[in-house]
Amino acid sequence: GENVEQHPSTLSVQEGDSAVIKCTYSDSASNYFPWYKQELGKGPQLIIDIRSNVGEKKDQRIAVTLNKTAKHFSLHITETQPEDSAVYFCCPGPGSYGKLTFGQGTILTVHP
Amino acid sequence: NAGVTQTPKFRVLKTGQSMTLLCAQDMNHEYMYWYRQDPGMGLRLIHYSVGEGTTAKGEVPDGYNVSRLKKQNFLLGLESAAPSQTSVYFCASSRGTYNEQFFGPGTRLTVL
Repeated sequence: GENVEQHPSTLSVQEGDSAVIKCTYSDSASNYFPWYKQELGKGPQLIIDIRSNVGEKKDQRIAVTLNKTAKHFSLHITETQPEDSAVYFCCPGPGSYGKLTFGQGTILTVHP
Repeated sequence: NAGVTQTPKFRVLKTGQSMTLLCAQDMNHEYMYWYRQDPGMGLRLIHYSVGEGTTAKGEVPDGYNVSRLKKQNFLLGLESAAPSQTSVYFCASSRGTYNEQFFGPGTRLTVL
């Protein structure tokens, strides 16, 4: 199965700073790399994803970069805002039938 | 559209009791999933279904059973609850393998 590691486990930044979360995976067959955001008391929600034929994808203040050779991908959030405070999960895959393997999560806190 | 809904939101059981968690989606998705989330961990897949009448085991299926009699509903059963099943349970649905998974709000279950 897929082994997933996320770093850091917690990240504290000031509003307006950038935040970077890194995810490493073990399965070289993985070709889909989503990031999910979970706010307190809610279910996870997809914020960005990338396929293996693309090295980088950007959506406003959020970007994901992929290094398939090194088997890692990263989430970049620029100009952070307090509402970005949440737990972020990487889920490399997919497994058969779309099964997701979640990383341990990164708690991001953005201080006003 | 309500998206993915889960009932109940909270439940307290005694060891050995049984219960059923209900998940419903109104997006006509084929794939549905049940996850559990324990403190400090990512979500782990319990069971999943790729269509009406089909179910399969995920990463942590022991102690749980599921049924998908209707396309829009996915039921998770605990026949004899144990304290180790104290967790937050999330249901999700998706259109296919490389598609976003939509999560419900979760059910917080405590087994005493």
